[in-house]
Amino acid sequence: EAQVTQNPRYLITVTGKKLTVTCSQNMNHEYMSWYRQDPGLGLRQIYYSMNVEVTDKGDVPEGYKVSRKEKRNFPLILESPSPNQTSLYFCASSERQFNYGYTFGSGTRLTVV
Amino acid sequence: QQQVKQSPQSLIVQKGGISIINCAYENTAFDYFPWYQQFPGKGPALLIAIRPDVSEKKEGRFTISFNKSAKQFSLHIMDSQPGDSATYFCAAILDQTGANNLFFGTGTRLTVIP
Repeated sequence: EAQVTQNPRYLITVTGKKLTVTCSQNMNHEYMSWYRQDPGLGLRQIYYSMNVEVTDKGDVPEGYKVSRKEKRNFPLILESPSPNQTSLYFCASSERQFNYGYTFGSGTRLTVV
Repeated sequence: QQQVKQSPQSLIVQKGGISIINCAYENTAFDYFPWYQQFPGKGPALLIAIRPDVSEKKEGRFTISFNKSAKQFSLHIMDSQPGDSATYFCAAILDQTGANNLFFGTGTRLTVIP
């Protein structure tokens, strides 16, 4: 089954404790992206990657890091999480050129206390 | 700055009625305008999409109307059903650099009453 898999689904952590949210896709998509979803704000892009070793900032990159060492994986790293990063996070992937069929993961609900 | 503005924030419709969600944008460089449907606990899923050179696209009970001159587009759900109750996001794609960036509206929570 074609899918984007995120782990974990739920995470509660403390301020300053580094964490990684993993994302993997099995569709050989070139393009991957991370979004955060907050009430009243919709989904906002954090980082995106156009291919292996090619990443760039989205609208709200502060406090986040990403890496794209393999085509299928695109982990989101929070080096020093803060309470304002409490949110619902989604990873998405798509074929690169002119394709609006983004496939989203099921989300990771992160709480930073 | 919100690239795509969406209204209303919430919508309650009787079963069998028409649900209408509106979106507006400013950037004329947008290439595609998709709509996403999101159920609780799930990620958004593509519902229907339209190119800016088309004024209307229909798929089953779902229709996008696109007004390029007004820079507005809307989703119409005909014969709304309780199973349509979900959050709907309009979006716009900017592909100037090949980055395929997707900009979302703020979402509309639709409730269809039986």
